[in-house]
Amino acid sequence: DAKTTQPPSMDCAEGRAANLPCNHSTISGNEYVYWYRQIHSQGPQYIIHGLKNNETNEMASLIITEDRKSSTLILPHATLRDTAVYYCTYYPFVSPGEKGGSEKLVFGKGTKLTVNP
Amino acid sequence: ETGVTQTPRHLVMGMTNKKSLKCEQHLGHNAMYWYKQSAKKPLELMFVYNFKEQTENNSVPSRFSPECPNSSHLFLHLHTLQPEDSALYLCASSQISATYNEQFFGPGTRLTVL
Repeated sequence: DAKTTQPPSMDCAEGRAANLPCNHSTISGNEYVYWYRQIHSQGPQYIIHGLKNNETNEMASLIITEDRKSSTLILPHATLRDTAVYYCTYYPFVSPGEKGGSEKLVFGKGTKLTVNP
Repeated sequence: ETGVTQTPRHLVMGMTNKKSLKCEQHLGHNAMYWYKQSAKKPLELMFVYNFKEQTENNSVPSRFSPECPNSSHLFLHLHTLQPEDSALYLCASSQISATYNEQFFGPGTRLTVL
């Protein structure tokens, strides 16, 4: 079962910021929030991850609430190529070589973002 | 191009056939994964190999058999599949560390079982 809750769909105008919310109320203190996206018929693509501080890279910004129960992915200037399904998930600490299946990411249904011209 | 390649890209097979999906990663990663993505369903993790050892088998039917001969190659052997096994099969790899597990996905194999 998915551990995160996201709206099924969102629309955004080209050039505007897209703010994609995610609830992850069961996240533990050592688990990192990850965001991926999947453009139609392609494999998912990593976007960004964070623990408790806000993060920014060339693709997006990640805002994590202080209680870490929710986060928001921000695409500052959405383009038509950002139309995709966006997945929020989280991943627990694991040491290299550690066994037990904690390497897995559980993907929910994601948010279908449509960027309109 | 993510550094993870999958072959074939498309596969049509009958229920009595035996086929194999191949995945290769050119990134020097220590973990590889098989995922299944059915229409209108979330990505489902099938298998995880960490340092070539299988560490996860997510209750996958025995008609799917993974093989990881080395850290760069991953296979999924298929036999006596059912039509409901038709899906996009995705391979991924990652370099697992205590703080980082970005997974790089291949383009997938679109499987149709007749």
